[in-house]
Amino acid sequence: DIQMTQSPSSLSASVGDRVTITCRASQDISNYLAWYQLKPGKVPKLLIYAASSLQSGVPSRFSGSGSGTDFTLTISSLQPEDVATYYCQKYNSAPWTFGQGTKVEIK
Amino acid sequence: QVQLQESGPGLVRPSETLSLTCTVSGGSLTSFSWGWVRQPPGKGLEWIGHIYDRGSAKYSPSLTSRLTISVDTSNNQFSLNLRSVTAADTAVYFCARFSGIYGMDVWGQGTTVIVTS
Repeated sequence: DIQMTQSPSSLSASVGDRVTITCRASQDISNYLAWYQLKPGKVPKLLIYAASSLQSGVPSRFSGSGSGTDFTLTISSLQPEDVATYYCQKYNSAPWTFGQGTKVEIK
Repeated sequence: QVQLQESGPGLVRPSETLSLTCTVSGGSLTSFSWGWVRQPPGKGLEWIGHIYDRGSAKYSPSLTSRLTISVDTSNNQFSLNLRSVTAADTAVYFCARFSGIYGMDVWGQGTTVIVTS
């Protein structure tokens, strides 16, 4: 099965900083990659699908890039409400594995 | 607007079967896949499995021997049955819609299941 590896596992940044999270697949998954935001006690929220397409209603400070095995989620200007754990997920074929998550905090 | 709602017991005894149902309102089951995801306490998201509207299912390799996901189009519901549960199956369970290239775009609120004697 294809493994999904996120880095870093956690990060702390200041409001307004540019934040980058990476996700690496152990095999080529084309662009079948989604990013989700999960806040404690809340429901996972789809941010990015097809590696780089912004889900409707998601602020434009979020962006995704990559294809094949290497992907990136970028928050262009970190806001307090962005404190959450972020997960990538492959969905080219089953199993639809999630990455282990990246916890984002405000410095 | 499509909404999903999980239902089922919050407590399950070890070795018994965990059964959850997800009711879809505001839309049809057809033309989409429907899945389950869980989050154990203090851990990350884990994909459990999904089922296509025509009834074929895919399961997590770690759960496939204990898992059945089914769909009931007449009642606009899909269900999860996980047999022989242990404490490791304690988690918040989410149901979600999978919209092809668009990913898992609609989620239920989640339901907490605790495996305890």
